[in-house]
Amino acid sequence: EAGVAQSPRYKIIEKRQSVAFWCNPISGHATLYWYQQILGQGPKLLIQFQNNGVVDDSQLPKDRFSAERLKGVDSTLKIQPAKLEDSAVYLCASSSGTSGRRSYNEQFFGPGTRLTVL
Amino acid sequence: QQQVKQSPQSLIVQKGGISIINCAYENTAFDYFPWYQQFPGKGPALLIAIRPDVSEKKEGRFTISFNKSAKQFSLHIMDSQPGDSATYFCAGRMDSSYKLIFGSGTRLLVRP
Repeated sequence: EAGVAQSPRYKIIEKRQSVAFWCNPISGHATLYWYQQILGQGPKLLIQFQNNGVVDDSQLPKDRFSAERLKGVDSTLKIQPAKLEDSAVYLCASSSGTSGRRSYNEQFFGPGTRLTVL
Repeated sequence: QQQVKQSPQSLIVQKGGISIINCAYENTAFDYFPWYQQFPGKGPALLIAIRPDVSEKKEGRFTISFNKSAKQFSLHIMDSQPGDSATYFCAGRMDSSYKLIFGSGTRLLVRP
C-alpha cells in the first residue's frame, strides 16, 4: 500500500511569513496526526484528528498554528506568522483508528517537511 | 508526568556487538510501548512494540525487556550491524487517545 505522503519536503521562509504543509494519509486511515520534531528531540504531537474531528490539540500553539482535515482525508497544517523557533521537521502520521491483535493501531509516518525559518 | 526519559543520547557499538537503549516513564495510563527507528531524511518507522502485561518480546535481533514495577523498558539489538545505524525512539501510548509520547532519541552508530 502507498505510504503517507507529505509536501513540500523542504521549505525556507523568513520569520513572520506564513507557510502551509500538506499531508495525504494512507487510504482508509481514520486517524491523522501532526507532529513537530525539533533537531535532536523526539516528535511532539501537535494535533490529532479522528475523521474530520479534532481529538487532541492541547500542544498546538493556536495563536499561530492551525490545521484542518476537510472531508476526513487530506490535511493541511499552517503557521502564520512563523517564528525562528518553529524551525523543525513536521511529520504527518496516520493510523486505522482501531486496535487489532496484529496492528495495535500502528502509526505510519510520512517523510516529513523540513522547515527552516530565517 | 507524561514524559518518557531515554538514555543514552548516543551510542557507538562495534559490528556484532549488543546495543542497549533504556527508557523510563511515569504515566500509568500508557498501554503500549513502541520503539521507532528513524533514518536521516525519513519519518520514524515502527520497529517493535510491547504491551505492559508482557515482560519480554523478541523479533529477530531486536528484543524489548519490560519492567512494569520499575516503569522501565529497554531495547536490545543483538549482533548489531552497520545498517542498524539510525536514531531510535522509545514511546509510550496513551490508552484513551492513542497519543504517543516520545523519548528524546538515541543516535546509534555501528562501526564495521
